[in-house]
Amino acid sequence: AQSVSQHNHHVILSEAASLELGCNYSYGGTVNLFWYVQYPGQHLQLLLKYFSGDPLVKGIKGFEAEFIKSKFSFNLRKPSVQWSDTAEYFCAVRGYYKLSFGAGTTVTVRA
Amino acid sequence: DAGVIQSPRHEVTEMGQEVTLRCKPISGHNSLFWYRQTMMRGLELLIYFNNNVPIDDSGMPEDRFSAKMPNASFSTLKIQPSEPRDSAVYFCASSTSGTRGSTDTQYFGPGTRLTVL
Repeated sequence: AQSVSQHNHHVILSEAASLELGCNYSYGGTVNLFWYVQYPGQHLQLLLKYFSGDPLVKGIKGFEAEFIKSKFSFNLRKPSVQWSDTAEYFCAVRGYYKLSFGAGTTVTVRA
Repeated sequence: DAGVIQSPRHEVTEMGQEVTLRCKPISGHNSLFWYRQTMMRGLELLIYFNNNVPIDDSGMPEDRFSAKMPNASFSTLKIQPSEPRDSAVYFCASSTSGTRGSTDTQYFGPGTRLTVL
């Protein structure tokens, strides 16, 4: 069975600070990895995804994530956050067809 | 593209009533997923359809929940009778393929916020 663990439940930062959200997964086979974002009151939107190739993946809105196979990790980063990045962030892994989500990390950016 | 369309966006009902949630996937997508999001359990997959056929319904909580996909452009999730613990946000998602090794991405609808009193 596949599972995802997100280390931080709630992160509070100031604008221009750097952000890194941890994600570890458990799955025995080839995985596809995703980060989704959910802005307040909105639906999930895809930030970025990793299927194969370059382990450093760039997504929308200046986000990037690095796949480290040896650590079963797929951490999300952004060098300088903005107030508009306030949202909940979900890491997800797909082994076959099923997406398994982490519990989510709420990010609050203070202006 | 209009994206995944769900209706209604909000539903408030009383315990014991029947609730029907609707989803229109993105045109051309052949896989459809129903998820439930709650504070306690996070995002859970309820059921997965591929080419209108239910493939995995192991996440459906109990017999009160049922889902159908009569054609490629429409799916329903029904709860009968509804209970307060069913209160949650229900998301529908679609993708181009559900097969192993595919590079499809699931796109989510806006969700239906269900409140059962």
